[in-house]
Amino acid sequence: GAGVSQSPSNKVTEKGKDVELRCDPISGHTALYWYRQRLGQGLEFLIYFQGNSAPDKSGLPSDRFSAERTGESVSTLTIQRTQQEDSAVYLCASSSSSGVDSRQYFGPGTRLTVT
Amino acid sequence: GEDVEQSLFLSVREGDSSVINCTYTDSSSTYLYWYKQEPGAGLQLLTYIFSNMDMKQDQRLTVLLNKKDKHLSLRIADTQTGDSAIYFCAERTYNQGGKLIFGQGTELSVKP
Repeated sequence: GAGVSQSPSNKVTEKGKDVELRCDPISGHTALYWYRQRLGQGLEFLIYFQGNSAPDKSGLPSDRFSAERTGESVSTLTIQRTQQEDSAVYLCASSSSSGVDSRQYFGPGTRLTVT
Repeated sequence: GEDVEQSLFLSVREGDSSVINCTYTDSSSTYLYWYKQEPGAGLQLLTYIFSNMDMKQDQRLTVLLNKKDKHLSLRIADTQTGDSAIYFCAERTYNQGGKLIFGQGTELSVKP
């Protein structure tokens, strides 16, 4: 079956512009995660959604970052007034639950470059 | 707070064994994972171990967990050039919901 997909694969934007990144999780997966990977670094957790529960936003670096999820499907990560330090690969993952024994499957990521 | 540390680089010769090490701080870790990231590719889950296990073997991969020292290692036997990649250790804890805490990654370079 299809894996996690993300779009666009690459995005170049000017400083100060808003961007939207999309994630399509694996069908039936109730949990969805967003991570950020800066060049040469590990992944930083941003936010996760589990079913109809309130999302865990504890990793969002500033109020310029927000994310939405429609039911148990698509999620959009929005970055307003982009800054150069927002340049990174944004990775989405989904899992069949948020239980500790549930594997996360990662998408290919969106490479964001802010000029 | 939680923290996961890895050495940044490892270089081995083809055919040798590679050992990638990871340390973590959160004693409530439940599952520990190893992911592989090849250039331009997404993260691939290689293997994982539950915290009540000491060892897990899967073909060329052996994971060792020392819970007392909070130390995790990944051994790759008969390392091949195709194993060249960045390897990430990640932990998952009861009190952090579903999110993973990643190390900064170890770049494995395999020389022919």
